[in-house]
Amino acid sequence: DVKVTQSSRYLVKRTGEKVFLECVQDMDHENMFWYRQDPGLGLRLIYFSYDVKMKEKGDIPEGYSVSREKKERFSLILESASTNQTSMYLCASSLAGGRANEKLFFGSGTQLSVL
Amino acid sequence: QQQVKQSPQSLIVQKGGISIINCAYENTAFDYFPWYQQFPGKGPALLIAIRPDVSEKKEGRFTISFNKSAKQFSLHIMDSQPGDSATYFCAASIGGSGSRLTFGEGTQLTVNP
Repeated sequence: DVKVTQSSRYLVKRTGEKVFLECVQDMDHENMFWYRQDPGLGLRLIYFSYDVKMKEKGDIPEGYSVSREKKERFSLILESASTNQTSMYLCASSLAGGRANEKLFFGSGTQLSVL
Repeated sequence: QQQVKQSPQSLIVQKGGISIINCAYENTAFDYFPWYQQFPGKGPALLIAIRPDVSEKKEGRFTISFNKSAKQFSLHIMDSQPGDSATYFCAASIGGSGSRLTFGEGTQLTVNP
């Protein structure tokens, strides 16, 4: 079974702090994604990556950056956390190429509270 | 701008009943329409998906109905069970790839025993 592991289930940070959310997948997937989930808004794509050291902006990249130094690891960085970034953050991965990449495998999420 | 609109936001159904969740999309370039199921404390998981070359797809008690001209698709859960209680998300993507999904707002389904 594919496993996508997010380093923290709950995280509380202060406004202005730099925050790192870590995600690791164990199935050698090329694609990795960061979504945020908010009630009434569904899942919104922040950033994604098709390969090591590659990144693409999603629909809501403002205030975030990402890092992918190794294939299995994709980090989301909040440069200066703000209260409006309080949310559930979900990492996902998928295979590259053709229809094989249709299925996203999600981690269990990190609930981030910015005070 | 929400390109995929989902309704209702919440749904309560009795055990054995039919649950119906609807989605409408705007972008006619979308050509892959999955549904994801999320249980509390877990990430979403792919439930069932459809492409616009068919109007219906059935997997067990779960059926997707697709209406290309109306730009709508829906999830039907037959014989709903308490174990189906979860949040359901519809989604859509372009180019036959699930890589960049646009999700609906989600529907919280409760199936009462």
